[in-house]
Amino acid sequence: EAQVTQNPRYLITVTGKKLTVTCSQNMNHEYMSWYRQDPGLGLRQIYYSMNVEVTDKGDVPEGYKVSRKEKRNFPLILESPSPNQTSLYFCASSPRQGDDEQYFGPGTRLTVT
Amino acid sequence: AQSVTQLGSHVSVSEGALVLLRCNYSSSVPPYLFWYVQYPNQGLQLLLKYTSAATLVKGINGFEAEFKKSETSFHLTKPSAHMSDAAEYFCAVSDGGGYQKVTFGIGTKLQVIP
Repeated sequence: EAQVTQNPRYLITVTGKKLTVTCSQNMNHEYMSWYRQDPGLGLRQIYYSMNVEVTDKGDVPEGYKVSRKEKRNFPLILESPSPNQTSLYFCASSPRQGDDEQYFGPGTRLTVT
Repeated sequence: AQSVTQLGSHVSVSEGALVLLRCNYSSSVPPYLFWYVQYPNQGLQLLLKYTSAATLVKGINGFEAEFKKSETSFHLTKPSAHMSDAAEYFCAVSDGGGYQKVTFGIGTKLQVIP
């Protein structure tokens, strides 16, 4: 089944404790992206990747890192999480970008205390 | 820079009534436009997209949207609301082809009243 998977789905952590949210797609898509969803703010793009080893900042990259060492994986890294990073995170992929539909993962709900 | 404005963060309609969700965009180049739907506790899925072909775009579940360049609008409509349409709807814009950013609106929560 074609899909985007994220792990974990739920995570509660403490300020400053490094964490990684994994994202994997099995559709051989070139383009992958991370978003955070907050009430009243919609989806805001954190980082995106156009292909292996090619990444770029979205609208809200501060406090986040990404890597794209393999085409299928695009992990999101929070090296020192803070409470303002409490949010719902979505990973998405598409064959390329522009006019292509994005396929979204199920989301990761992160709480930082 | 591109942007999307969704008027009305919450919209309520009666079952069987017309659904109209508004989206206005700004873009320096001819845009690609999308509507996504998010059901509770799920990710987003594509309803429909405009990519410079026909200006009236038909999507899944009976939804359609019309691209109006003069009004920079891409409003989503459905003639008759169903209870299962209750969800959050997001309009998104992308500046052309290639590897460009996608910008989402803040979303509109649709409530369908029996």
